[in-house]
Amino acid sequence: DADVTQTPRNRITKTGKRIMLECSQTKGHDRMYWYRQDPGLGLQLIYYSFDVKDINKGEISDGYSVSRQAQAKFSLSLESAIPNQTALYFCATSEREAGDTQYFGPGTRLTVL
Amino acid sequence: ILNVEQSPQSLHVQEGDSTNFTCSFPSSNFYALHWYRWETAKSPEALFVMTLNGDEKKKGRISATLNTKEGYSYLYIKGSQPEDSATYLCASTNTGNQFYFGTGTSLTVIP
Repeated sequence: DADVTQTPRNRITKTGKRIMLECSQTKGHDRMYWYRQDPGLGLQLIYYSFDVKDINKGEISDGYSVSRQAQAKFSLSLESAIPNQTALYFCATSEREAGDTQYFGPGTRLTVL
Repeated sequence: ILNVEQSPQSLHVQEGDSTNFTCSFPSSNFYALHWYRWETAKSPEALFVMTLNGDEKKKGRISATLNTKEGYSYLYIKGSQPEDSATYLCASTNTGNQFYFGTGTSLTVIP
């Protein structure tokens, strides 16, 4: 079984809809991250969480919110989806120390029409 | 915000050729430099993490070096094989605990 899982893997939705992307991990890591990937732009950090009570904005948090329901779960929400949020979204986890390797989920491809 | 840059953006090499890519990063408040391998339709997989100036890491035919004073890292692939075709990402971590990724180098190895 994969250590970092994401659901759904693919989603097509319409402008204005609320969407939630879920991430679960069995690695026991404290730190979790959400990234989006757009062609030519690499990975951009949306939000990150260093433990259940810690939530931090990344480079591109506008239009997104997150919830850290448990150590193992970190959800990303788009309150009112817009077409320029069409992208590939990755969840990642890492251990406590700064600079520790991040382990990525398989990605969620989101299309907003 | 850190500015991590990778070059070249893409390259094509013949099977058996050796190749290398560059990752440059701001050297101030540096903590660690990561290299990832990202195959199409998969998620990035960690290759190396380096923290000290002069660090060198090796995994099979792939190796990496780190220069924290001048802010660059090289990734080398010796005797490229078609299965090496992927995008190679680097990421720099500063003492503020955030990862900043470059846009990657896309490698295609031609059989």
